[in-house]
Amino acid sequence: GAGVSQSPSNKVTEKGKDVELRCDPISGHTALYWYRQSLGQGLEFLIYFQGNSAPDKSGLPSDRFSAERTGGSVSTLTIQRTQQEDSAVYLCASSLESEAPLHFGNGTRLTVT
Amino acid sequence: AQSVTQLGSHVSVSEGALVLLRCNYSSSVPPYLFWYVQYPNQGLQLLLKYTSAATLVKGINGFEAEFKKSETSFHLTKPSAHMSDAAEYFCAVKRNTGFQKLVFGTGTRLLVSP
Repeated sequence: GAGVSQSPSNKVTEKGKDVELRCDPISGHTALYWYRQSLGQGLEFLIYFQGNSAPDKSGLPSDRFSAERTGGSVSTLTIQRTQQEDSAVYLCASSLESEAPLHFGNGTRLTVT
Repeated sequence: AQSVTQLGSHVSVSEGALVLLRCNYSSSVPPYLFWYVQYPNQGLQLLLKYTSAATLVKGINGFEAEFKKSETSFHLTKPSAHMSDAAEYFCAVKRNTGFQKLVFGTGTRLLVSP
């Protein structure tokens, strides 16, 4: 596709349920990033992938959060046993090379009730 | 480690007035610096970037930013605000070597009044 695609665009879930968020990066982009945007908090780095490996997982808030990337393309961010504080917009971005800017998707708005 | 500080969570200007959004960075190595804009319910869009070439960088929609090493600043300006400039603006920094995470500031919401 022409841009980074994220699905679903909105997700409402009950506290304690697991959720999966999907990101389709721009074709050919080897780097993929996940960020979380909470009201008044700016963008919080979660994890980035170079190909299928994740050299930097330092931003994952807890062991309830995990992410994988397969085939150097699609990535899935999984949140287990969701909590209300997980409510946020989860943004995915991809880039072609180290000097290239990040291209962002429109995000998944997660609401935990 | 890299970090950026954006002064002012909200900036209000009148249409036609100068826009100045402030960003100061901290980096142990020469940085790459970026400004992104986010319109409501959308992802972030790159406005401009500094990658150690010219210190005055011109971006889209008439925005520009100047890298000042002595002041560790990368302020964003536009000579004349337009209503369509109302959005949230994020400054970001990364190391200038290899694939590294992009570290964002907390954002500045620009309000433009007629």
